[in-house]
Amino acid sequence: QVQLQESGPGLVKPSETVSLTCTVSGGSISSHYWTWIRQPPGKGLEWIAYVYYSGSTNYSPSLQSRVTISLDTSKNQFSLKLTSVTAADTAVYYCASADYFDRDSYHLLYFQHWGRGTLVTVSS
Amino acid sequence: QSVLTQPPSASGTPGQGVTISCSGSSSNIGSNAVNWYQQFPGTAPKLLIYTDHQRPSGVPDRFSGSKSGTSASLAITGLQSADEADYYCASWDASLNGPVFGGGTKLTVL
Repeated sequence: QVQLQESGPGLVKPSETVSLTCTVSGGSISSHYWTWIRQPPGKGLEWIAYVYYSGSTNYSPSLQSRVTISLDTSKNQFSLKLTSVTAADTAVYYCASADYFDRDSYHLLYFQHWGRGTLVTVSS
Repeated sequence: QSVLTQPPSASGTPGQGVTISCSGSSSNIGSNAVNWYQQFPGTAPKLLIYTDHQRPSGVPDRFSGSKSGTSASLAITGLQSADEADYYCASWDASLNGPVFGGGTKLTVL
């Protein structure tokens, strides 16, 4: 059973950069798509980005200019970097594994295993 | 404003059935798979339904998914108090080239 654990700073000042790491255990990072999803307090889920073990990436258009996702297969970890944060970036950040299939413009992507989430608060 | 539209709330009494709707468009639900997630307060979401109607191992058959055109539904039969949670639909959106979620539906078991 794949398990994921997020780690991060908790509190970040406006305009700074927040870096989050997800450690994967119970499975190889050399498979699946590795994803970050966030949830502002009391609100819904928002997909941020995913990275495949090959290194290919995909970003949410609304966050693409401020986000970088990367993979460290030697440590079985993947990471998220979000720049120029504001109060609107305050959220619980989840890492998750995704299975993805596409053929003839039909896409199936679902998030099977999730971390417990880490709260990132942006405040001075 | 979420790309997929869900009712903010739904309710039912123990033993009854309830259906949660998810409305989208031809660029998402109309041409791609739909998944559903269940989330209890303070915990991470859990995959409930994938590929429109498939249940992961361990999900009771009281939960079922369906899709027609650009809309999808999650049906729960034999409601239990333990089913009180938030439910999210999700699909791939071809215009955004990525996954999108509904705004979530809070299910209350009266």
